[in-house]
Amino acid sequence: DIQMTQSPSSLSASVGDRVTITCRASQSISSYLNWYQQKPGKAPKLLIYAASSLQSGVPSRFSGSGSGTDFTLTISSLQPEDFATYYCQQSYSTPPRVTFGQGTRLEIK
Amino acid sequence: EVQLVESGGGLVQPGGSLRLSCAASGFTFSSYSMNWVRQAPGKGLEWVSYISSSSSTIYYADSVKGRFTISRDNAKNSLYLQMNSLRDEDTAVYYCARDTGYDTDPFDYWGQGTLVTVSS
Repeated sequence: DIQMTQSPSSLSASVGDRVTITCRASQSISSYLNWYQQKPGKAPKLLIYAASSLQSGVPSRFSGSGSGTDFTLTISSLQPEDFATYYCQQSYSTPPRVTFGQGTRLEIK
Repeated sequence: EVQLVESGGGLVQPGGSLRLSCAASGFTFSSYSMNWVRQAPGKGLEWVSYISSSSSTIYYADSVKGRFTISRDNAKNSLYLQMNSLRDEDTAVYYCARDTGYDTDPFDYWGQGTLVTVSS
């Protein structure tokens, strides 16, 4: 099975900061990588699909890059509503259909 | 407006069964593949199962294979998850999620989740 490892597991930052979260796959997954944001008590929200495509309605301060095994999610200027947990997801291999990273919790400094 | 509404969660004893439902509206349900994803309390996301639009293709995570059964009724715009032989570790919020159908299978709409608690 393909393992997805996110780093860091948690991160403290301030409003206005530029933040980067990394996701590494245990083997190449091409660009089969999606990013989600989840706030406490809420369902996840799709941010980025196919490694770098911005989902409709998502602010342009969010961007994604990478291919193969190494991927990044960047928030160019943190806003108060961005403090949440972020998950990467791969769908390259079947089985299993999908695996998620363990999550990165972004907290207010 | 796309809506997914889960129901059927609750408290069940180990070894018991439960059937979750997900009612879909606001889109052509029969055109989309669907998934179940769960999240144990304080933990990350775990994909559980996938079903294609016509039910012709079904996948399960190893952790639930042989115990859970995914199904759908396109006439009723509904997705189901039959959960048997439940274990403590199945305790989680269960979400249904729509598969966009893009190459990388992102899930673009999620329900609010239903809590399943397995405990004696």
